[in-house]
Amino acid sequence: KAGVTQTPRYLIKTRGQQVTLSCSPISGHRSVSWYQQTPGQGLQFLFEYFSETQRNKGNFPGRFSGRQFSNSRSEMNVSTLELGDSALYLCASSSQTGPYEQYFGPGTRLTVT
Amino acid sequence: SQQGEEDPQALSIQEGENATMNCSYKTSINNLQWYRQNSGRGLVHLILIRSNEREKHSGRLRVTLDTSKKSSSLLITASRAADTASYFCATDGGGSRLTFGEGTQLTVNP
Repeated sequence: KAGVTQTPRYLIKTRGQQVTLSCSPISGHRSVSWYQQTPGQGLQFLFEYFSETQRNKGNFPGRFSGRQFSNSRSEMNVSTLELGDSALYLCASSSQTGPYEQYFGPGTRLTVT
Repeated sequence: SQQGEEDPQALSIQEGENATMNCSYKTSINNLQWYRQNSGRGLVHLILIRSNEREKHSGRLRVTLDTSKKSSSLLITASRAADTASYFCATDGGGSRLTFGEGTQLTVNP
């Protein structure tokens, strides 16, 4: 099976802009989660989607949003970018048959200038 | 905020030696997982241990879990240079949401 793919791999944006990141889960996986990784805060959970519904949400401002499509592909959007949004954004998928081993993509490195 | 702490933050050993990393967490869990991350890349799932298990093995990896102390350890035996990476523990309370530790940076010198 192909692994989790994320596009783009690298992105440079300017403060105030918005950005959309994409994630394609492993075939057959219906759960997609997003994480932000920064040197200061480490790995933090953003949100999880399952069958096109947001099932869980982390403690991030409303500028961070996401969605999931009927084919389980997911996108996350960050509006009004701030310098502190510079991070590695990781997507993970799981089969939901439990107990929730997650398979991560290579990440999107976002740099906000 | 992070669920717990990992100890040590950094570990440097020689090839062939064993590496032990510890993880502590704060709340009750259903499962605890260990992941590896090579420099700035995605996380690779290593092993999952359920809350009712005390020890689990996978190849050169041995994981222990002590729920009374809210702690886990990861032992890598006969380490190789290719094991150089950051290692994270992650806990879940029964859902897909993982809470990660701060990680241990392991360096294995050839």
